[in-house]
Amino acid sequence: IQLTQSPSSVSASVGDRITLSCRASHSVGTYLNWFQQKPDNVPKLLVYGASSLQAGVPSRFSASGSETEFTLTISNLQPEDFATYYCQQSDSPPLTFGGGTKVQIK
Amino acid sequence: EVQLVESGGGLVQPGRSLRLSCAASGFTFDDHALHWVRQAPGKGPEWVAGISWNSAFIDYADFVKGRFTISRDNARNALYLQMSSLRADDTALYHCTKANRVSWRLIDYWGQGTLVTVSS
Repeated sequence: IQLTQSPSSVSASVGDRITLSCRASHSVGTYLNWFQQKPDNVPKLLVYGASSLQAGVPSRFSASGSETEFTLTISNLQPEDFATYYCQQSDSPPLTFGGGTKVQIK
Repeated sequence: EVQLVESGGGLVQPGRSLRLSCAASGFTFDDHALHWVRQAPGKGPEWVAGISWNSAFIDYADFVKGRFTISRDNARNALYLQMSSLRADDTALYHCTKANRVSWRLIDYWGQGTLVTVSS
């Protein structure tokens, strides 16, 4: 299952609201997860099951979708949110990741 | 605190073998599936292999089938990846990752990784 993320990069300002997209080549139901990776750090699980926030993730993050179309929204963008975000499907092996969306400071 | 500490990486010639290890602590090891995920420099993550809590279910990415073997030792809280017939495009940081207790394919924690460089 291939995952296509768009855009590949986005420039935004602190306080902005942005939406990242992930499209699956085949239905993954709601077995879609989102990871955040900051430079020189390992990926961190943000969202699992398409819309459930991992413990400790701020409520400015929200996610939705099912089957083949998914979104991750960050409201009131904070300085610590500038990172690369990857979607990943855990519906069936091989597990696959999207190419990532880099969120940069405008 | 969950800790996953990988070791065994290094510089290896194409065609040779290498064995990676992961020492785990801070959670009930035999309650969780484990996975190896790699990340080439400047690239996104790429899943390599996964193993269920009791080793009954094992999956591999197509690009490593027949070359890599994942295994675990629950008595030692350890995960392994035996890699053979290594190629230049296997060069990457290899992360040991832990799965959620309920869903064996949901990766919820990553180790810092061990770097494998395949070059002559």
